[in-house]
Amino acid sequence: QKEVEQNSGPLSVPEGAIASLNCTYSDRGSQSFFWYRQYSGKSPELIMFIYSNGDKEDGRFTAQLNKASQYVSLLIRDSQPSDSATYLCAVIGNYKLSFGAGTTVTVRA
Amino acid sequence: GAGVSQSPSNKVTEKGKDVELRCDPISGHTALYWYRQRLGQGLEFLIYFQGNSAPDKSGLPSDRFSAERTGESVSTLTIQRTQQEDSAVYLCASSLVGSPTDTQYFGPGTRLTVL
Repeated sequence: QKEVEQNSGPLSVPEGAIASLNCTYSDRGSQSFFWYRQYSGKSPELIMFIYSNGDKEDGRFTAQLNKASQYVSLLIRDSQPSDSATYLCAVIGNYKLSFGAGTTVTVRA
Repeated sequence: GAGVSQSPSNKVTEKGKDVELRCDPISGHTALYWYRQRLGQGLEFLIYFQGNSAPDKSGLPSDRFSAERTGESVSTLTIQRTQQEDSAVYLCASSLVGSPTDTQYFGPGTRLTVL
């Protein structure tokens, strides 16, 4: 079983819609959870991090964490064409980031 | 201040040659990480440096891979006798102290192509 699993997509959503990305992880001791965005040919850039159960909102982005279910999600509201990218879920146990393979999102204008 | 920088940005080499990749972390960051990203795949952890502690080399795929770091500054990742399966983007990241809540900031990567 992979440490971090994501649906590879592609996930296609119309402009203005909500994009919902899911991620599950295997290590119950994981403490911190990150969502990175990676444009094609570019390095990952941090969008959000979440440490506690519940929701965390930052602008159009909402991260949701459920440690009991070992599940973390990212919602992108009012999706824009500029949101088209691969979204990487990452989980830290001690210090090592374990990444999922990423979900590719395409926002249709 | 400046972000993480890496050089070269692209490297094309022949199978069997050695290559050296360089990473300059954000000034003041004590933790430094190397990852590898093969085409269309997620990131694989390679090695982690934290201050003067012994590095965690558990992610290095073979003994052809090695890395060094000078104090809390520059790091070099060396791949000896390169193979075609080494072709990937090699990403370096740094964080302030390497704690579980630390954010890792990535450099632009070095794209390695082994012919």
